[in-house]
Amino acid sequence: DQQVKQNSPSLSVQEGRISILNCDYTNSMFDYFLWYKKYPAEGPTFLISISSIKDKNEDGRFTVFLNKSAKHLSLHIVPSQPGDSAVYFCAAENTGTASKLTFGTGTRLQVTL
Amino acid sequence: GAGVSQSPRYKVAKRGQDVALRCDPISGHVSLFWYQQALGQGPEFLTYFQNEAQLDKSGLPSDRFFAERPEGSVSTLKIQRTQQEDSAVYLCASSIRTATNEKLFFGSGTQLSVL
Repeated sequence: DQQVKQNSPSLSVQEGRISILNCDYTNSMFDYFLWYKKYPAEGPTFLISISSIKDKNEDGRFTVFLNKSAKHLSLHIVPSQPGDSAVYFCAAENTGTASKLTFGTGTRLQVTL
Repeated sequence: GAGVSQSPRYKVAKRGQDVALRCDPISGHVSLFWYQQALGQGPEFLTYFQNEAQLDKSGLPSDRFFAERPEGSVSTLKIQRTQQEDSAVYLCASSIRTATNEKLFFGSGTQLSVL
C-alpha cells in the first residue's frame, strides 16, 4: 500500500528550463510534506518542505505547491541547472502521532546542457 | 566528523549469517532513525530512538531485526539469519530535536548484499 506515490520514475529537462516533479498521497492524516534530494552513493539531503496549512513555499529556485483537496504536491525548479541532476524523493509525515517519514519511490531528474 | 557516519559502507553476507550495522550520529543529536531502501524504492522507516529509548519499532520487518542505542549516541542495527530479501541500503539519520523531519541528516548508508 503505497501512501506516497511518485508516478514518474524519470524526467529530463534542458538547462534553464523549468523542472516539475509531482507527488500524490493517499493518507489524509499527513500534514507535513518534504522533498529530499539524493546523489549517488550519498544519503538524502533535505531540500524544501511545506505544512498543510499552506499551499506554497518558495526557497530560491525551488517552490513546492500543495493541493490538499487533490492530495497532490509538486516541486518546481526554475531555472534548472546541471547540478540539480539527482533523484528527488517526496516524503510525508503526520506530525501529531509519529516522527517517521513516508517516502515516495523517487524521480530521477536529469538536466541536460 | 561533521556528518552522520555509517559503517561498513558495503557488507556482503551469506544467507543465514548475522550482520551488525553501525551508525554514528552527529554529536548531540537526540533523535536517530533507521530506514531501509530496497533497489528502486524510497527509504522505508524501520525504527526510531529518542536518546537511548526506542520509541517506535513498528517498521522492523521481523524479529530477526534488532536495533539498540544503549548510551544515546551510537546505534547498531543487527540482522540475524540474513535472507536474500534483506538486501538493501540501510540508512541512518539523526536530528538535534524531535520536531519536524526537515532537520534530519542522513548518512551515506550501508549497502547490504545477501548471497
